[in-house]
Amino acid sequence: GQQLNQSPQSMFIQEGEDVSMNCTSSSIFNTWLWYKQDPGEGPVLLIALYKAGELTSNGRLTAQFGITRKDSFLNISASIPSDVGIYFCAGQSGGSQGNLIFGKGTKLSVKP
Amino acid sequence: EAGVTQFPSHSVIEKGQTVTLRCDPISGHDNLYWYRRVMGKEIKFLLHFVKESKQDESGMPNNRFLAERTGGTYSTLKVQPAELEDSGVYFCASSQDIAGGRWRTGELFFGEGSRLTVL
Repeated sequence: GQQLNQSPQSMFIQEGEDVSMNCTSSSIFNTWLWYKQDPGEGPVLLIALYKAGELTSNGRLTAQFGITRKDSFLNISASIPSDVGIYFCAGQSGGSQGNLIFGKGTKLSVKP
Repeated sequence: EAGVTQFPSHSVIEKGQTVTLRCDPISGHDNLYWYRRVMGKEIKFLLHFVKESKQDESGMPNNRFLAERTGGTYSTLKVQPAELEDSGVYFCASSQDIAGGRWRTGELFFGEGSRLTVL
């Protein structure tokens, strides 16, 4: 089946540093999404991308939908302690609404 | 407005036993989804309800899993009999109907998850 390769698996950074993570696939996706999961909570949507090449920002977060439709990245600028959590990319390629393919997640730790 | 709620938050059962997980979606959301994350792996789609109808159940692993949404409100996911490999976190999510273009793919609201441990 379809798979998303998300990297890195984990990151340990200092507060104030910028962070970058990405997802790639051998398949084309129509939609790319980035979610964040805090401990003990469910994933929360951060950014949704619907068009190839689209670059979207949400506060300190910026994400792009790759031109080939096979990849996406998420950048976090000037990280703060509350950025800690697991970040998931997800894509939809044409299955039913809400049938999302998720990456394995990037666990982010931020040292104050 | 209440979010998606799931019960129980954690269940520990023995292999061969039955467990029923419950999900209450956000009020007014016709779409309800079940996902599962097995330890260390990705979150995987199980199925999608539109109101009380199963729209897509392509992710259900086998016939030991039964999902229902009678009346189109809350949903249950029953695992019977449970096996060791069923351990993981089961997430429920809901979204509004696509009518009027108010809903777009991916705008799912997830619950906190039900952690299932099968011993």
